Amino acid sequence: DSGVTQTPKHLITATGQRVTLRCSPRSGDLSVYWYQQSLDQGLQFLIQYYNGEERAKGNILERFSAQQFPDLHSELNLSSLELGDSALYFCASSVGLAGRRGQSTDTQYFGPGTRLTVL
Amino acid sequence: GENVEQHPSTLSVQEGDSAVIKCTYSDSASNYFPWYKQELGKRPQLIIDIRSNVGEKKDQRIAVTLNKTAKHFSLHITETQPEDSAVYFCAASKGGSSNTGKLIFGQGTTLQVKP
Repeated sequence: DSGVTQTPKHLITATGQRVTLRCSPRSGDLSVYWYQQSLDQGLQFLIQYYNGEERAKGNILERFSAQQFPDLHSELNLSSLELGDSALYFCASSVGLAGRRGQSTDTQYFGPGTRLTVL
Repeated sequence: GENVEQHPSTLSVQEGDSAVIKCTYSDSASNYFPWYKQELGKRPQLIIDIRSNVGEKKDQRIAVTLNKTAKHFSLHITETQPEDSAVYFCAASKGGSSNTGKLIFGQGTTLQVKP
């Protein structure tokens, strides 16, 4: 168990719908990263938040958005869903920029993922 | 742009043999290189990582080597066991306080260890 939690585990929805994926980072971690894993694209970085602020964006579609709340949990919102959005969505957390003594600031720990199926 | 190439895509070895997976990165500013193991339907699990100021790191049966000049790094697993069977991903990032730390992943290597 990495200490990162994600809900729901599975999500089945129809094209055109909107869903929200939730992630709670490890206690003390300030950075949250979202990754998409599909069969043909591998693990792709989507977006990063650090202490409530967006820090980096990858190839995230305009239909997707995210935020990190004051309690540091993060949500990834996917709208106008298409069949091609079916994938595993992982979040990962790291200590971030304010590293604890002896702790790497870069190590990312992954949550169990949310499997999204768009029918 | 940032890119990580990983080879081979599949690797089959006999139990007890060694396995080597190689990755090449494009961004010379990358300074952190983790390796993740992912079992089917599970989360990627960090197994070892290395920073650019170190050439080699070992943890029991697993070792990673880094060649900054050639921009490549490799994972070595010795005395492989059936439970080592999984998909292995290499990644690269620009860590530290001035960068984001986002991971750029290789395409993955499916390792099969035959009993």
